Order: sequence, then structure tokens, then C-alpha cells
Amino acid sequence: QKEVEQNSGPLSVPEGAIASLNCTYSDRVSQSFFWYRQYSGKSPELIMSIYSNGDKEDGRFTAQLNKASQYVSLLIRDSQPSDSATYLCAVNIAGSSNTGKLIFGQGTTLQVKP
Amino acid sequence: DGGITQSPKYLFRKEGQNVTLSCEQNLNHDAMYWYRQDPGQGLRLIYYSQIVNDFQKGDIAEGYSVSREKKESFPLTVTSAQKNPTAFYLCASSMTSASSYEQYFGPGTRLTVT
Repeated sequence: QKEVEQNSGPLSVPEGAIASLNCTYSDRVSQSFFWYRQYSGKSPELIMSIYSNGDKEDGRFTAQLNKASQYVSLLIRDSQPSDSATYLCAVNIAGSSNTGKLIFGQGTTLQVKP
Repeated sequence: DGGITQSPKYLFRKEGQNVTLSCEQNLNHDAMYWYRQDPGQGLRLIYYSQIVNDFQKGDIAEGYSVSREKKESFPLTVTSAQKNPTAFYLCASSMTSASSYEQYFGPGTRLTVT
């Protein structure tokens, strides 16, 4: 079982809709969770970090964390064509809690159609 | 402007040659990381360093070497021993406190070896 799993997609949503991206992880003691956006040919850009159970909102983005079920999700409201990108989930694994090492999922490609 | 710079953006080398990729940061971050990304795949950790003059192997260190002589700089050498060096190389940095493991990425270097 991979340590961090994401559906590779593509996930296709119409403009203005809510896009829901999901990520599951295997390490029960993981404490820090991150979402990165990566446009084609570019480097990843941090868009959300979440450390405790529940929801965290930032503009059109909401990160949701459920440690009991070991999943973290990213909701994008009012999706725009400019949101079309690959979204990477990253988890700080317990064995490296003092090193900052992250394990990345393979990413979910989001396509927002006008 | 604070940030991470990588140079060059594109690099072409002949098989059997060593090549060094540059990574510099002025964010005053303690930790620095090197990742490799292949098409359609997530990020794989090559090496990381939490402090000057110290570094650790990541998941795919074979065929690579690094140094950390200054806090701001973490160059990566791709040696001729690396069997499949063609890839997108990403450098990142972060703080090392548990409340802030957010990693920030440079623009990347795309290496092609023929």
C-alpha cells in the first residue's frame, strides 16, 4: 500500500462548480498535511496546510482533515479554468516528525471546463 | 524578494558526464531538499539537509551527491552512475519547527541526458 494515495484523474468539472480532491494516507501518526498546485511544466506551489481535524478555509479553497479515517481533502468552490492543474497531497510522516520530510501522492489532475 | 532560485532552467548533457544543479534560498530556512519528478509521477526525495554540513539520503540517493557548506546553498550533483538522469529536478526549503514544515519550491531544472 502506498503511503499517500490520490486518484490520478483527470477530474473534470464545469466552470463554477465545486471540485473535490481526495487523499488517503497510511501513517496514523502523521501530523501535518499539505496541498500543492502544479501547473504543467512548473514547480509545485503550496496552497493549503492543515494540522488539526476539521475544516480550514482560505478564499475559494477548503481543506478538510479526518485523522480517524486517515483522509484529507481539498474543495475548490466556484472552479475557474485557471484552476486546471495537478494537485499534490503531501503528508509529514511520523517517523520523520522532527525532520520535515514529506511524502507526496502522485497527484490528481483537475480540468475545469468553461 | 525572498525565494528559492535554481539554475539553470534547462540543462543538456552527454551520457557519462557529471553535472551540478544549483539551488539557493534567501528565506533563512534551515532545511533544504532535492526531489526528482518524472512524467506523470509524484515527487521522490533524493537528499535532504536540516543543518549546514549535514545531509541525509532520501529514497533515491543512488547516483547523486550533495553538499551543504552554507545555509543558503544546497547543490546537487548528478553523477554518471545515475542510470536514468533525465528528469525534472526540484529544490525546496522549509523551517524545521513542527508547526511549520511547509516546503517551498524553486522553479526547477529540467535535465536531459543523451
